[in-house]
Amino acid sequence: DTAVSQTPKYLVTQMGNDKSIKCEQNLGHDTMYWYKQDSKKFLKIMFSYNNKELIINETVPNRFSPKSPDKAHLNLHINSLELGDSAVYFCASSQGQGRYGYTFGSGTRLTVV
Amino acid sequence: QQQVKQSPQSLIVQKGGISIINCAYENTAFDYFPWYQQFPGKGPALLIAIRPDVSEKKEGRFTISFNKSAKQFSLHIMDSQPGDSATYFCAAKISQGGADGLTFGKGTHLIIQP
Repeated sequence: DTAVSQTPKYLVTQMGNDKSIKCEQNLGHDTMYWYKQDSKKFLKIMFSYNNKELIINETVPNRFSPKSPDKAHLNLHINSLELGDSAVYFCASSQGQGRYGYTFGSGTRLTVV
Repeated sequence: QQQVKQSPQSLIVQKGGISIINCAYENTAFDYFPWYQQFPGKGPALLIAIRPDVSEKKEGRFTISFNKSAKQFSLHIMDSQPGDSATYFCAAKISQGGADGLTFGKGTHLIIQP
């Protein structure tokens, strides 16, 4: 009964490839997010999305794009992967602008070689 | 510009001792301050959170102290146990309007020695 699930858990790919990470939440939350955790464990928000609005962190390259087929899913597409994209990517969800907290998935470790 | 500054970067505490992690923020519009605990290979999990209308919140062995005038808040872990060894992140957000996500500190790697 995983609340926020991400697939795959590990992803190794070559530079220049295009890849996707999937995320699903079964909590009925209205907002989903993608966070990036770098090698120093710093967590930084990439996207915030509900069924009305997508908010993009201005520092995120446009090679990254979220796709939400429905309220329970927010997938992350990455084009033309670069070495610097190697990181752990976390999906998260919240309800009511996070006043009850955020629930994170267990992460996808992306390694670009 | 880092909006939430966390210290120390790493901390070693003996079992049974008190672990203290400090955070300072810059944006006075922040009005929700959670602490997250992360174990290796796992996502961050909410530990405890506080809003600026109170100066302290306690849940079990975990206490948040909040100083609005100094724009600082801290996590105290009483009777620290080896199972508390993890990375701890403070965070902050603006509840209403604007970007909805959390702004995190850089994390504290806590080791509790038996």
